[in-house]
Amino acid sequence: SSELTQDPAVSVALGQTVRITCQGDSLRSYYASWYQQKPGQAPVLVIYGKNNRPSGIPDRFSGSSSGNTASLTITGAQAEDEADYYCNSRDSSGNHRVFGTGTKVTVL
Amino acid sequence: QVQLVQSGSELKKPGASVKVSCKASGYTFTSYAMNWVRQAPGQGLEWMGWINTNTGNPTYAQGFTGRFVFSLDTSVSTAYLQISSLKAEDTAVYYCARENGDYAVGDWFDPWGQGTLVTVSS
Repeated sequence: SSELTQDPAVSVALGQTVRITCQGDSLRSYYASWYQQKPGQAPVLVIYGKNNRPSGIPDRFSGSSSGNTASLTITGAQAEDEADYYCNSRDSSGNHRVFGTGTKVTVL
Repeated sequence: QVQLVQSGSELKKPGASVKVSCKASGYTFTSYAMNWVRQAPGQGLEWMGWINTNTGNPTYAQGFTGRFVFSLDTSVSTAYLQISSLKAEDTAVYYCARENGDYAVGDWFDPWGQGTLVTVSS
């Protein structure tokens, strides 16, 4: 079973803000990274470390963390942000990596 | 530019073996670990493990020991995933992904290969 838990689905109105959460004990010790995956495509990194965006990722994507929860926020969601989002971090042992269960974001 | 290019789709019969390749370019291959990720049809991402591209030492996630083997050919900057005794439940897209970061900043996967669909069917 996955050690990182995400809500299965969230919806957001166009231009509004949505927060996607990732819960797990290991997040008290390790940063999460976040990946966007559109149908039929490979995942793409959107946030890593404390709150870092790779080149080419819009600044409407941001990350934060508190306790055992990491969050990805999309401020001013666009139609092209409709996708599945996965968090990833180390597991409790610190030796392995684990993906969250994934969140499907629908932009209304 | 930094990129990972994987081999093409495979159709295999149960019991057969398959070897998926992941060719890296645009960076020093042995400076970054390579990870493998599985995605079964309609399912989420599953971390399979990683290989140290400097030493060749692999680490496998629970559930990916025995039939799954990670290997390298550093002369051509390529990582391989071999799966033996294939089963129908191995049908999935397999991704390679370069690991970046360190203990202080955290780890992340970037870039990813385009994925290789392995279909196991009689």
